[in-house]
Amino acid sequence: LAKTTQPISMDSYEGQEVNITCSHNNIATNDYITWYQQFPSQGPRFIIQGYKTKVTNEVASLFIPADRKSSTLSLPRVSLSDTAVYYCLVPPQGASNTGKLIFGQGTTLQVKP
Amino acid sequence: ETGVTQTPRHLVMGMTNKKSLKCEQHLGHNAMYWYKQSAKKPLELMFVYSLEERVENNSVPSRFSPECPNSSHLFLHLHTLQPEDSALYLCASSRGTAYNEQFFGPGTRLTVL
Repeated sequence: LAKTTQPISMDSYEGQEVNITCSHNNIATNDYITWYQQFPSQGPRFIIQGYKTKVTNEVASLFIPADRKSSTLSLPRVSLSDTAVYYCLVPPQGASNTGKLIFGQGTTLQVKP
Repeated sequence: ETGVTQTPRHLVMGMTNKKSLKCEQHLGHNAMYWYKQSAKKPLELMFVYSLEERVENNSVPSRFSPECPNSSHLFLHLHTLQPEDSALYLCASSRGTAYNEQFFGPGTRLTVL
């Protein structure tokens, strides 16, 4: 089972900033938090990964508080093409460094014009 | 060609057929994965290969038989499948199993009649 919890769905409008929060209360000390994006009938695509505080790349920012029990993916100024499912992942307990990623239901983001 | 490629992209087969799915990665990675994504369900990890050795079999029925002849190629041999095996089959690769950034192929849409 996935050990993360995130909203099933979110709606937004073009040009807005979208924040998707994920809880991972049992994250292990050495585990990173990874976010993926998936469009219909395509494979997921890596967006961003972080361990603590803040990580930013050309696509998104990831905010991780000091206790690391949650994280927030921030998408600045979304467009219609950002409509997708967003997955928050941490390795299953005891399975760090195994490549075993457990994808949950993810958050379906619908961006409206 | 770059990235992760999968062939065929679409496959229709009867329950008594034998077919194979092929995955090839051009990224120099040494870990490869098979995932299954059924309609309206999360991705399910099926198999993990690291350095051509199977390191994870996620309770997959024996009618699915993986093969990894080298670090660039991964096959999924199919025989006597059931209609409920109809799904999108995704291949992914990563630098190693310790890396959570997995690169996914476009998938094979399989229909079992």
